Amino acid sequence: KNEVEQSPQNLTAQEGEFITINCSYSVGISALHWLQQHPGGGIVSLFMLSSGKKKHGRLIATINIQEKHSSLHITASHPRDSAVYICAGSQGGSEKLVFGKGTKLTVNP
Amino acid sequence: EPEVTQTPSHQVTQMGQEVILRCVPISNHLYFYWYRQILGQKVEFLVSFYNNEISEKSEIFDDQFSVERPDGSNFTLKIRSTKLEDSAMYFCASSEAGGVGIYEQYFGPGTRLTVT
Repeated sequence: KNEVEQSPQNLTAQEGEFITINCSYSVGISALHWLQQHPGGGIVSLFMLSSGKKKHGRLIATINIQEKHSSLHITASHPRDSAVYICAGSQGGSEKLVFGKGTKLTVNP
Repeated sequence: EPEVTQTPSHQVTQMGQEVILRCVPISNHLYFYWYRQILGQKVEFLVSFYNNEISEKSEIFDDQFSVERPDGSNFTLKIRSTKLEDSAMYFCASSEAGGVGIYEQYFGPGTRLTVT
């Protein structure tokens, strides 16, 4: 069974702090997607990666295939980064995404 | 920038009624998906659709559910006889391709379905 586990479940930070959200996944998952869900409910895709590292602005995503672990980092966090961050796994040959429970991030000014 | 759109944003219906949730995927995308998120829970896959047929579905997607691409732009999810437990946010998504290979999925804003 393909599974994705995230930690922490909740995270509170002060503006400017460096933030890390972790995701572990089971055998069978070959790529990780990081998504952002805002309070209104909409979901935005941030990254999709199957190896190495990707960077977009203040966001960095890494994946370690051997350890089946991925991290999402936010540098110089800002209150507008407050959202739920979700990792989801996909398996080659299957279209579905398997979602983690999400990490609720609150960045205080 | 192209985006996935969904209508309505909120639908309230009585138990036992039929509902149709509508989605317009990104125009050059070939794979379409429905996911749902019950309040406080994680997002769950319902179904994927390619070349006018279901390519994959979950255990949740039983005979009460159906999907259709009635024309060149819309993609719909029908729930035949709604139950209280169908209350959730329903997300449509689309991707350029699928199957073998991994592709980014683009999500719509969701339709909140409330069954009373």
